[in-house]
Amino acid sequence: GENVEQHPSTLSVQEGDSAVIKCTYSDSASNYFPWYKQELGKGPQLIIDIRSNVGEKKDQRIAVTLNKTAKHFSLHITETQPEDSAVYFCAALPPDSSYKLIFGSGTRLLVRP
Amino acid sequence: GAVVSQHPSWVICKSGTSVKIECRSLDFQATTMFWYRQFPKQSLMLMATSNEGSKATYEQGVEKDKFLINHASLTLSTLTVTSAHPEDSSFYICSASQRWEGSYNEQFFGPGTRLTVL
Repeated sequence: GENVEQHPSTLSVQEGDSAVIKCTYSDSASNYFPWYKQELGKGPQLIIDIRSNVGEKKDQRIAVTLNKTAKHFSLHITETQPEDSAVYFCAALPPDSSYKLIFGSGTRLLVRP
Repeated sequence: GAVVSQHPSWVICKSGTSVKIECRSLDFQATTMFWYRQFPKQSLMLMATSNEGSKATYEQGVEKDKFLINHASLTLSTLTVTSAHPEDSSFYICSASQRWEGSYNEQFFGPGTRLTVL
């Protein structure tokens, strides 16, 4: 079955710098890749997603890139702000999975003021 | 995005009692709802998938008699933790998805329910 690996597990950046989180997946047939932000004590919030027919998607300071050949996708956050501090999860949706997402292990991002 | 609510946001109960958690999609009809469990500093662990009007599908290792799931309408699913014990203490999160044949819609998460069993 699908397996998603996420790196790094923790990331500390200075306010204003960029942050990059990477995920790799094993099932080449997976076709949907969302990213979630989870703040302490809250549920995950969808921040951006990408489908397999697209290589890159951007929404203001957040972008996601997908490399289907290498089976990896990345989250890019530019001009980081302290409020970006949270845990970020990537996920992949394999086909014929009853729409069950497979999650990465999470990255704890700390943006230092 | 769509809004999913959960109630209660936190609950403390005595060992041996049952606790019901509600998950509602507020502005869309959810054909599928998912229940997750999350331990501190860990990823989300899928417990079961719930489709409206049918029995839930449980993940391997999840006791269906202990975690009762009901998805009676397109906007409401409930998780009942029966005969709760301290090891059931966790953060329970639901998500809701709307989908139709050949397509997939985003999965939206509720705010979570913190369960503490004394």
